[in-house]
Amino acid sequence: NAGVTQTPKFQVLKTGQSMTLQCAQDMNHEYMSWYRQDPGMGLRLIHYSVGAGITDQGEVPNGYNVSRSTTEDFPLRLLSAAPSQTSVYFCASSKGLVFETQYFGPGTRLLVL
Amino acid sequence: TQLLEQSPQFLSIQEGENLTVYCNSSSVFSSLQWYRQEPGEGPVLLVTVVTGGEVKKLKRLTFQFGDARKDSSLHITAAQPGDTGLYLCAGALIQGAQKLVFGQGTRLTINP
Repeated sequence: NAGVTQTPKFQVLKTGQSMTLQCAQDMNHEYMSWYRQDPGMGLRLIHYSVGAGITDQGEVPNGYNVSRSTTEDFPLRLLSAAPSQTSVYFCASSKGLVFETQYFGPGTRLLVL
Repeated sequence: TQLLEQSPQFLSIQEGENLTVYCNSSSVFSSLQWYRQEPGEGPVLLVTVVTGGEVKKLKRLTFQFGDARKDSSLHITAAQPGDTGLYLCAGALIQGAQKLVFGQGTRLTINP
């Protein structure tokens, strides 16, 4: 199993550009989530999904969209990038609800100029 | 305002010393997890505690969940350089249990 994979690893965007961060898991996990990690702030939940076709907002959803058309994939879209979205983004998946182990991907480092 | 407050945020000690990291909140959690993160990688789960007062041991690491399920601690005995990393606590709120809330993290450095 590859576990949780994320692409790209690094990305530089200009303000106003859009892009999609890809996340895929091959463990047949129902629960997937996106976090951003900023210095001194730990991980903050952006969006999460409890199954295909179901998504909900986390703590910091503004400026981001998600969809979950399959169990395996959970892409994160930045509609119009802003410098405040410079961060490291992590995707995670788990078998069920939060009592389960969260498996994290290696992260995407995004710089918005 | 951070829902889960970790302290200290930075800790640098010598090999062989003991240390404790704290994770505190005014909210009640149905479960609490501790993760460790290496540079350039995602966090990896160390332990999950679900019962108030629960103590779990993982070799030289001891995790405790507070009786009221509002706080937790991680104690490392005889720290080794391999323990260096970022330690994160994460709690599942009683309300909205489908979300994990993370603390800011404790960056631990063990000097040989």
